[in-house]
Amino acid sequence: AQKVTQAQTEISVVEKEDVTLDCVYETRDTTYYLFWYKQPPSGELVFLIRRNSFDEQNEISGRYSWNFQKSTSSFNFTITASQVVDSAVYFCALAQNTGNQFYFGTGTSLTVIP
Amino acid sequence: DVKVTQSSRYLVKRTGEKVFLECVQDMDHENMFWYRQDPGLGLRLIYFSYDVKMKEKGDIPEGYSVSREKKERFSLILESASTNQTSMYLCASSEQGGFPTDTQYFGPGTRLTVL
Repeated sequence: AQKVTQAQTEISVVEKEDVTLDCVYETRDTTYYLFWYKQPPSGELVFLIRRNSFDEQNEISGRYSWNFQKSTSSFNFTITASQVVDSAVYFCALAQNTGNQFYFGTGTSLTVIP
Repeated sequence: DVKVTQSSRYLVKRTGEKVFLECVQDMDHENMFWYRQDPGLGLRLIYFSYDVKMKEKGDIPEGYSVSREKKERFSLILESASTNQTSMYLCASSEQGGFPTDTQYFGPGTRLTVL
């Protein structure tokens, strides 16, 4: 069963638009962690954020923000004023002690058009 | 900064060859992982290791083996490469042994083509 769902396969936006990438997860653990990674065309996954299940505060880092809502099992990622350099594939992931591994979504490919 | 390096960015091999993919991390991390990435399937875990000489199967271990003789190095071995093993292979490491929830740091990937 898919534990992390990223329903948006591809998104295109025009530069300076805001864009939200959706992530829905499934777990029975009370303690778990959620992650976002960015994979630019070069191929290397770059770590963006890690949140634990007890911290539902939204996080903002520059143009990036994350909205964690346990009630809807979602951990959405918003890029404000998108730039061409934001073009990449973005992966959401879930980690829990049960199963002893990460569960990655299938990724959302974001293209920012100049 | 964590540095995870992989021996090759691109590799072309023939069906039936034995293939070694090497991964080295320089942060004294306990855990190391091998994934393959295919379009539409995301990342799938092949094997991981939480200590030297220890290994655990992931979701898709068939056709692969691994070796971890030293803490910093984790090798993925394709005993007899097949065309369906053409893929991007990603290595990752994380700090604490036996803790799957630590942040994983990834190498640049090896794009393997099997002809």
